[in-house]
Amino acid sequence: DTAVSQTPKYLVTQMGNDKSIKCEQNLGHDTMYWYKQDSKKFLKIMFSYNNKELIINETVPNRFSPKSPDKAHLNLHINSLELGDSAVYFCASSQVKGLQETQYFGPGTRLLVL
Amino acid sequence: AQSVTQPDIHITVSEGASLELRCNYSYGATPYLFWYVQSPGQGLQLLLKYFSGDTLVQGIKGFEAEFKRSQSSFNLRKPSVHWSDAAEYFCAVGVDSSYKLIFGSGTRLLVRP
Repeated sequence: DTAVSQTPKYLVTQMGNDKSIKCEQNLGHDTMYWYKQDSKKFLKIMFSYNNKELIINETVPNRFSPKSPDKAHLNLHINSLELGDSAVYFCASSQVKGLQETQYFGPGTRLLVL
Repeated sequence: AQSVTQPDIHITVSEGASLELRCNYSYGATPYLFWYVQSPGQGLQLLLKYFSGDTLVQGIKGFEAEFKRSQSSFNLRKPSVHWSDAAEYFCAVGVDSSYKLIFGSGTRLLVRP
């Protein structure tokens, strides 16, 4: 069983469209994340949710809206897609124990905006 | 500001040779440090982590890393590289109680047969 799964794996779409990426974790973790990896492989956190509550919101255009229906899911909706949104988006989850936790990553969603 | 530097963009080693990948961090408090590996077209897999205690940590696939506070470093090592180790390696530091990972830019490892 995949611990952190994402759908779709690949997403090709036109500029201006709205798309969603889904993430699910079956690890029982209470915190989930979205990261963006650009074409130079640079990884940067976008959002973090703890028990369905937003705790990290980096400087991300408001076209990006995360939604957490429950602790096991964190979806990413992107409005009015732009060419610069092309990247690999990784979901991750963790269980905070005191101040220490390890993040486990999904396989990534490769988004290409044409 | 917190940052992670991986000074080597690419490293090429021969199969069976030893490996060291460098990582330096900038963080005012006690760091939580991680190494992840990303194989082509794949997600990130945790190799090892340092939270506290013994500064030499063992990970999966025969990797180890040593935390040196005086040098602000957390270098990754492997005594004998296998062809399957060819991948991109990322060092990361956890800040704000590890809710946020700050990643280095990655080092691509190429393995010569």
